[in-house]
Order: sequence, then structure tokens, then C-alpha cells
Amino acid sequence: RKEVEQDPGPFNVPEGATVAFNCTYSNSASQSFFWYRQDCRKEPKLLMSVYSSGNEDGRFTAQLNRASQYISLLIRDSKLSDSATYLCVVLTGFQKLVFGTGTRLLVSP
Amino acid sequence: DTEVTQTPKHLVMGMTNKKSLKCEQHMGHRAMYWYKQKAKKPPELMFVYSYEKLSINESVPSRFSPECPNSSLLNLHLHALQPEDSALYLCASSPEETGTQYFGPGTRLTVL
Repeated sequence: RKEVEQDPGPFNVPEGATVAFNCTYSNSASQSFFWYRQDCRKEPKLLMSVYSSGNEDGRFTAQLNRASQYISLLIRDSKLSDSATYLCVVLTGFQKLVFGTGTRLLVSP
Repeated sequence: DTEVTQTPKHLVMGMTNKKSLKCEQHMGHRAMYWYKQKAKKPPELMFVYSYEKLSINESVPSRFSPECPNSSLLNLHLHALQPEDSALYLCASSPEETGTQYFGPGTRLTVL
């Protein structure tokens, strides 16, 4: 079983749609959780950290369920510029960031 | 400012060449990282430096040799690489070992 699992997609949505990504992780000792965004042939960029209480940044909402070892990202009112690969990332107890394979999002006009 | 810089942007080298990748950050971060990313795959951790000391080596072949000359700089020395080593090499830094990591733009390496 992979340490971090994501649906690779692609998710094809129209502008203005709401889309949700899910991720599961296997190491219950994992300490911190993140969503990164990666555009084609670019570096990963931090989108947001994820907390058990849930956190929101504009159109983006992230949620962590430690009991189920499940992380989610909700994007509301999708924009063309949201098209990218979204990486679910977990910091293990060994200073290591473990990346999911990424979920590809394509937003169309 | 969360900028990590990497040079060169692109590098083409033969299997007998010796080259170095460079990474720099001026955010006062105490942990620095090298990752390798193949096309359509997530980044894979290679090395972690914490307070200028190597703390993690993910069983990387010895043809890759990291060096941390000071708290702002991280190098990756390359020697006798194979074509399968062609990839995007990403550097990252974080305030501490458990902090959020910020990535540089990467060096796209092609080994002929």
C-alpha cells in the first residue's frame, strides 16, 4: 500500500464548478499535512497546510480527519488558472515529506 | 520572501562528465533538501541537511554527492551519471526539519 494515495484524475470541470479532491495516508504517526500545487514543468508550490479543525483560504478549503487518515481539498468557483496537479503531502515522523502521485485538474471555459 | 534559487536551469551532460547543481536560500532556514522528480511522478526525497549536517540519505547512489558549504548553500555534485538519472532536480528549504518546505524552480538534467 502506498504511503499517500490520491485519485490521479484528470478531473475535467467547467469554470465556476466546485471540485473536491481526497487523499488517504497510511502512517498514523504522520505529523503535518499539506496540499501543494504543481504546474506543468514547474516546481511544487505550497497551497495550504491542513489542520484537524479545517482551514480555508479564499476559494480553497482543506480538512484533515486523523481518525480516518483522510485529507481533503475543496475548490469553489473554479478558475481556468486553477488547472494544475494537486499534490497531497504528508510529513512523516522522520523529517520526510511523502508525496501522493497528484490529482490533475483541468478547468475548461 | 520565500525564494529558493537554483542554478543552472537546464543541464546536459555526458556520462563521463562531472558537474554540480547549486541551490541557495536567504530565509535563514536550517533544513535543506534535494529531490528528484521524473516526468508524471511525484518528487522523491534524496537528501536532507539539517543545521549543515547530512541527516538523511535515501540510499542514493554514490554518483550523487551532496555538500552543504554553509547554512544558505546546498550543492549536488554529479559524476558518472546514467541516462536514467535524467530528471528534474528540486531543492527545498524549511525553517526547521518539521516545517513547511519551499521549493526552488529546479534544474532539468539530461544525461546523454
